[in-house]
Amino acid sequence: GAVVSQHPSWVICKSGTSVKIECRSLDFQATTMFWYRQFPKQSLMLMATSNEGSKATYEQGVEKDKFLINHASLTLSTLTVTSAHPEDSSFYICSAIWPVGRTSPLHFGNGTRLTVT
Amino acid sequence: AQKITQTQPGMFVQEKEAVTLDCTYDTSDQSYGLFWYKQPSSGEMIFLIYQGSYDEQNATEGRYSLNFQKARKSANLVISASQLGDSAMYFCAMREGHETSGSRLTFGEGTQLTVNP
Repeated sequence: GAVVSQHPSWVICKSGTSVKIECRSLDFQATTMFWYRQFPKQSLMLMATSNEGSKATYEQGVEKDKFLINHASLTLSTLTVTSAHPEDSSFYICSAIWPVGRTSPLHFGNGTRLTVT
Repeated sequence: AQKITQTQPGMFVQEKEAVTLDCTYDTSDQSYGLFWYKQPSSGEMIFLIYQGSYDEQNATEGRYSLNFQKARKSANLVISASQLGDSAMYFCAMREGHETSGSRLTFGEGTQLTVNP
């Protein structure tokens, strides 16, 4: 149980275009999802907390107009990288907690490797 | 301030031997949780083990055990009988108790473990 599916697993796009990444909880309902970003050989950095039915909470330094997050249902959160530039190339990975509780781990999707040319 | 510190960028171990991956943390909360994740080269994040701040016994999950020393604020991961498939990046993470942070995890910089045949 507690499977998180992320799509696409990799994407290459041209500078200036937008890319949408989907994160789905397959066998549970996720009121909260977390989006992380990881550069090569570095740690995971939290970008934002996605809340179903409300606005996302962004971490300091993350541009909310550039990284649009929509959590329209209890099983789907999307991250859209708008007007992507080469410096946005990174590994993006979403996660959700299940079951809800302080001792529960985050379950991660398989990540999306974004390359902006 | 760094919340989670993993001082070993890389570790090597011989197959079938045990290895300890270090993790120290910093928090002023009394209630917190510590997690270890494994990230193979494919990028997925695999949950390994959890230790709660109030747990009196060290957590164990199969070949994984957590050497929790609360006074020293350390939560080292011990992998027994290493296997070639254990070669991966390992991340220590913490969830703190205050409600405003929700269920998010803060990650350390990671340790790249290589198991030699």
